[in-house]
Amino acid sequence: QSALTQPASVSGSPGQSITISCTGTSSDVGAHNYVSWYQQYPGKVPKLMIYDVSHRPSGVSNRFSGSKSGNTASLTISGLQAEDEADYHCASYTTSRTIMFGGGTKLTVL
Amino acid sequence: QVQLQQSGPGLVKPSQTLSLTCAISGDSVSSNTAAWNWIRQSPSRGLEWLGRTYYRSKWDSDYAVSVQGRITITPDTSKNQFSLQLNSVTPEDTAVYYCSHSGYFVEYFKYWGQGSLVIVSS
Repeated sequence: QSALTQPASVSGSPGQSITISCTGTSSDVGAHNYVSWYQQYPGKVPKLMIYDVSHRPSGVSNRFSGSKSGNTASLTISGLQAEDEADYHCASYTTSRTIMFGGGTKLTVL
Repeated sequence: QVQLQQSGPGLVKPSQTLSLTCAISGDSVSSNTAAWNWIRQSPSRGLEWLGRTYYRSKWDSDYAVSVQGRITITPDTSKNQFSLQLNSVTPEDTAVYYCSHSGYFVEYFKYWGQGSLVIVSS
């Protein structure tokens, strides 16, 4: 099983919107609505930002949103802020009852 | 609110067994709706889910193909904790290891342990 595919890096200026893609297969991303996204600062524990494709946990800014089309899920951050600079990881449940993570995307706020 | 506290050695010799424990507060390892996971992270492999154990009228576990045959995740109901054992380790198993909670139709990780750096070296 290969990891889900994410871009290694994305960047944007404050106030802009960015989108991070997460591409899998019909055995993971395309099979369920169990896609989640995590934000991670260097040396810190990952934080859940989106679950079940598009749901935000309590306390997560509504600037963060998720969607899915076919085998590709996406995380969009609108109104980019300096504090959003971090690594972002997607994850998906699979038809083999396992969890697959993406390779991670480094977001740089210019 | 689930809290997870990890413990275990930070240095393991090649070919030996890596062992970590995760103590649970705020939930029960025997819960019919929870699942107890181990995840690791290294610069070369990113985040990698290793496996989980859960109770659904009986104990069961799921493991990643990448570590199948080398991994065992076991619950300890007397101490409300669960453990990871990874056998025959190599330097490629050097990583930060996390325990985490998920659940029945809850296929995401909201609660994480603090992380444990494990180095495999002689």
